Amino acid sequence: AQSVTQPDIHITVSEGASLELRCNYSYGATPYLFWYVQSPGQGLQLLLKYFSGDTLVQGIKGFEAEFKRSQSSFNLRKPSVHWSDAAEYFCAVGDGNTGFQKLVFGTGTRLLVSP
Amino acid sequence: KAGVTQTPRYLIKTRGQQVTLSCSPISGHRSVSWYQQTPGQGLQFLFEYFSETQRNKGNFPGRFSGRQFSNSRSEMNVSTLELGDSALYLCASSLATGGASETQYFGPGTRLLVL
Repeated sequence: AQSVTQPDIHITVSEGASLELRCNYSYGATPYLFWYVQSPGQGLQLLLKYFSGDTLVQGIKGFEAEFKRSQSSFNLRKPSVHWSDAAEYFCAVGDGNTGFQKLVFGTGTRLLVSP
Repeated sequence: KAGVTQTPRYLIKTRGQQVTLSCSPISGHRSVSWYQQTPGQGLQFLFEYFSETQRNKGNFPGRFSGRQFSNSRSEMNVSTLELGDSALYLCASSLATGGASETQYFGPGTRLLVL
């Protein structure tokens, strides 16, 4: 079965500094990969997605992610963090064998932004 | 285009009761998926409906059920509520016609508290 690992539970970044959130997945074929963000008490907002093609994908709010098949990774990056980026970030994988709608999520990384 | 809407946003129930949650997908979306989010178990897939048929199911007991109507609106029902059912229940919709259309867009969630 597919799985997603987000090794960092919490990350603190200074405002204006760069950010990288790690995501590793386990899946046999080419996965559908997603990053979502969740603010407290809210639903999930899609940041970006990877289905095929260019391995560097751009998303909203200045985020990007790079799919690396050899490392089974899909890390999220942002060159300069803003205080409003403080939230919880979830990486997810969709499985074509059991249904792309059956997303498997990582445990999330909570981002704290210090002034 | 309006996003995914969920009603009610908050619910308080007591053990043994049953509850029904509602989800209205984005216009034109035919797939609706449900997820449960708890601090201990994270985000877990409940089930997915497509064209009024349950297409995928997660590992939840039979107390959790759902249905989809011809206008793609979906409801989920939890019978004989247990304390452990307290969670944020998220609904997501997608076109689900292959490729990038598999992307799921989430609603704000219904927060259920079981006393």
